[in-house]
Formats: sequence, C-alpha cells, structure tokens
Amino acid sequence: GAVVSQHPSWVICKSGTSVKIECRSLDFQATTMFWYRQFPKQSLMLMATSNEGSKATYEQGVEKDKFLINHASLTLSTLTVTSAHPEDSSFYICSARPGGVSNQPQHFGDGTRLSIL
Amino acid sequence: QKEVEQDPGPLSVPEGAIVSLNCTYSNSAFQYFMWYRQYSRKGPELLMYTYSSGNKEDGRFTAQVDKSSKYISLFIRDSQPSDSATYLCAMSATARQLTFGSGTQLTVLP
Repeated sequence: GAVVSQHPSWVICKSGTSVKIECRSLDFQATTMFWYRQFPKQSLMLMATSNEGSKATYEQGVEKDKFLINHASLTLSTLTVTSAHPEDSSFYICSARPGGVSNQPQHFGDGTRLSIL
Repeated sequence: QKEVEQDPGPLSVPEGAIVSLNCTYSNSAFQYFMWYRQYSRKGPELLMYTYSSGNKEDGRFTAQVDKSSKYISLFIRDSQPSDSATYLCAMSATARQLTFGSGTQLTVLP
C-alpha cells in the first residue's frame, strides 16, 4: 500500500519552456503533498508543501512564481516549472501523506529528472 | 550545526555483514523517526517508522531510537548486495514536515 506515482520520470526540454510534473497517490487520499528537489549526492531539499484545495506553502528562497503548485484533488498535485532555465535542471521528488489518519509517514514518488538545455 | 547529522560514508561491507547506520539530532521536539532507502535515480523508499524511543524490527532491519541521547540507528542483518543504496534518516516533531540527514552511501560487496 501507500503507492505514490510521479510522471514523467525524465524530461529534456529547451530553455524557456514550461514543464509540468504530476504526483498521484494511487491507493490513498492525500490532503498534504510535498515537493522536494535533490542535487547529486545531496539530501532532499523541501521546496513547498501542497495542501488540497488551498495555496501551497513555499520554503524560504523558493520562487512561487517559478514553481507553480496545484493540488486540485485528494490524489493529485502538480508542479509546473515555468520558463525553465539550465539552473533548474535537477531531480524533483514528490511525497504524500495519507489523510484522515494522524501521524502517518510520507511516501515518495520515484522522482522526475529534469534536464534543461 | 545541522539539526540532523549523518555520516555520508561511503561505507563498504562484505555480503552477510551486519551494517550499522546512525544519525544524531539536536531538536528535542522530534518524536517521529524514519529510515528511507534510496537507490540511484529513484525516490526514497520507507523502510522503518518509529514513534518516540524504543526498538522496532522488520525482517533483517532493526531501528533503534534513544531520545535521551538524541541518537537513532538502523541495523541491517545478513546484508545483501541488493541493500547497496543510500540510506536517509528523517525525523519530525509532527509527522508532517521532515528533516533529513545527508544520507549514508552503502555498498555491500558480493
């Protein structure tokens, strides 16, 4: 149980384009989802907390206009990297916590490798 | 000083060895403790989840939490080459936002 699916797994695009990444909880409802960024050989860095039906909470230093987050349903959150540039190239990972049950751990998707040319 | 300290390794052990991975932390409010395994180019996979102090065992894995010492451990018995991965400790005061260690890279040699 507690499967989180992330799509796409790898995307390569030109500088200036926008890229949308989807995160789905397949077998549970998630009132809260999280978006992380991970650089090579480093730990995960929290970018934002996505709450179903409300605005996301961004961590300090993360541009909300660049990284648009939408959590329109209890099983889907999306991260859109707008006007992507080479410095946005990274490994983006989402996670989700089952809602309705307290103190449940986060379960992670398999990540999206984003390469901006 | 980081809130969570974890030796990055790399750590290499022969197949069948007992592996000990550790994290220390400074925030006494942490009460939820997790260990995740991350293979290269994959997302973290939850291995162990414990609340407060104590031990928890699941197959070849044992997690220990000592809140008085602010120290957590993960033991892997009879290690296998398939256990080769990066192991991340994570902890939280509310089970909501996590604070991660930097990860320990483990290689189990056949």
